[in-house]
Amino acid sequence: DQQVKQNSPSLSVQEGRISILNCDYTNSMFDYFLWYKKYPAEGPTFLISISSIKDKNEDGRFTVFLNKSAKHLSLHIVPSQPGDSAVYFCAAHLSNFGNEKLTFGTGTRLTIIP
Amino acid sequence: GAVVSQHPSWVICKSGTSVKIECRSLDFQATTMFWYRQFPKQSLMLMATSNEGSKATYEQGVEKDKFLINHASLTLSTLTVTSAHPEDSSFYICSARSLGGLRGMVLGKETQYFGPGTRLLVL
Repeated sequence: DQQVKQNSPSLSVQEGRISILNCDYTNSMFDYFLWYKKYPAEGPTFLISISSIKDKNEDGRFTVFLNKSAKHLSLHIVPSQPGDSAVYFCAAHLSNFGNEKLTFGTGTRLTIIP
Repeated sequence: GAVVSQHPSWVICKSGTSVKIECRSLDFQATTMFWYRQFPKQSLMLMATSNEGSKATYEQGVEKDKFLINHASLTLSTLTVTSAHPEDSSFYICSARSLGGLRGMVLGKETQYFGPGTRLLVL
């Protein structure tokens, strides 16, 4: 049962344009959502997070939007740069009786075209 | 940001041997470490949560006798893949949670830091 889904395995965007990566989830108990960037053969690096009580969080070129009613979040990168080319994972955080867990989506490979 | 290292970065072994992977938090104390596995073109799947000084908590479907986890100190956790088989070939990633924990989440700061991963190939 995939509780966090990224339905687009890949996305190509022209440099300078906006990149929009999408993520859907099923568990309404998730309390935080995070986006990670990952290069091949490396661990994920944290980009930005959002609490479930918010609908938007912005950090520089990265903005995450959360639509709780639709159980959907998206990451906007603007303007897109060649160095943004990587695989992006959304992750959902759950605290369960003091135990916390991150559930990851399947990832979207973003390619920025110069 | 905080640094987490893994050793080795890659390992090739024969079927039936055991492989130990180390995960170290280099500049902070980690009360909790997490072990993930990623198969090609798939998501990171949590295998187990390791708390310093106590037994690890394994996710459903993960054999605790096959994947031995030891978290003996606040800066080191080890994952031992016992009697490895070709189907165990994967990319293993650890993460370490700082003492900031959930409070760090409230502040919008990341408190779970990932290592660079270990690629295991079992022949």
